[in-house]
Amino acid sequence: AQSVTQLDSQVPVFEEAPVELRCNYSSSVSVYLFWYVQYPNQGLQLLLKYLSGSTLVESINGFEAEFNKSQTSFHLRKPSVHISDTAEYFCAVSEKGGSEKLVFGKGTKLTVNP
Amino acid sequence: GAGVSQSPSNKVTEKGKDVELRCDPISGHTALYWYRQRLGQGLEFLIYFQGNSAPDKSGLPSDRFSAERTGESVSTLTIQRTQQEDSAVYLCASSYVGTGEETQYFGPGTRLLVL
Repeated sequence: AQSVTQLDSQVPVFEEAPVELRCNYSSSVSVYLFWYVQYPNQGLQLLLKYLSGSTLVESINGFEAEFNKSQTSFHLRKPSVHISDTAEYFCAVSEKGGSEKLVFGKGTKLTVNP
Repeated sequence: GAGVSQSPSNKVTEKGKDVELRCDPISGHTALYWYRQRLGQGLEFLIYFQGNSAPDKSGLPSDRFSAERTGESVSTLTIQRTQQEDSAVYLCASSYVGTGEETQYFGPGTRLLVL
């Protein structure tokens, strides 16, 4: 079984500041890793994912995450945030070769203030 | 193309009533998932359908919950004798398993309130 821990339930930052949203997972098998974003009053959208290959993955809107196997982490970072990045961010894992179901963390609410 | 759609978008019901939630996956997607998001919580897996295989029901919280899927199309999630703790947003997702894409696309959800 897998589990995902997002230690920070809320992260307030000022516009143009850097941000890191932390995600740690636990699994006895190899996993795929995902970050989903939920903007206010919208559905869940895939932000980025790690399946294999390069451990650093990027999204089209400037976010990046790095898979660290030894630390079982997949932290999400952005060097300079915008007000439009205000949203809830969910880290998730699924078992490689398994049933594909996603196990989610409890989410981190990012609030970007002017 | 069209995304995952769910209906109704909102449902208010009285404790003890049955409710039925519907999900239309993306055309051609072989896998369909139901999740539940309770207030202040992450998403909890409920059930997974993949092609003609037996569904993975390991996340269903009680025997009041059941789901069906017709082929690779519509799915319905039924909650019998609803309780107040069933209040949540119920999310459906679909994906195409087998290409290595492993990306689930989510619908907008059905917000269920049990009074």
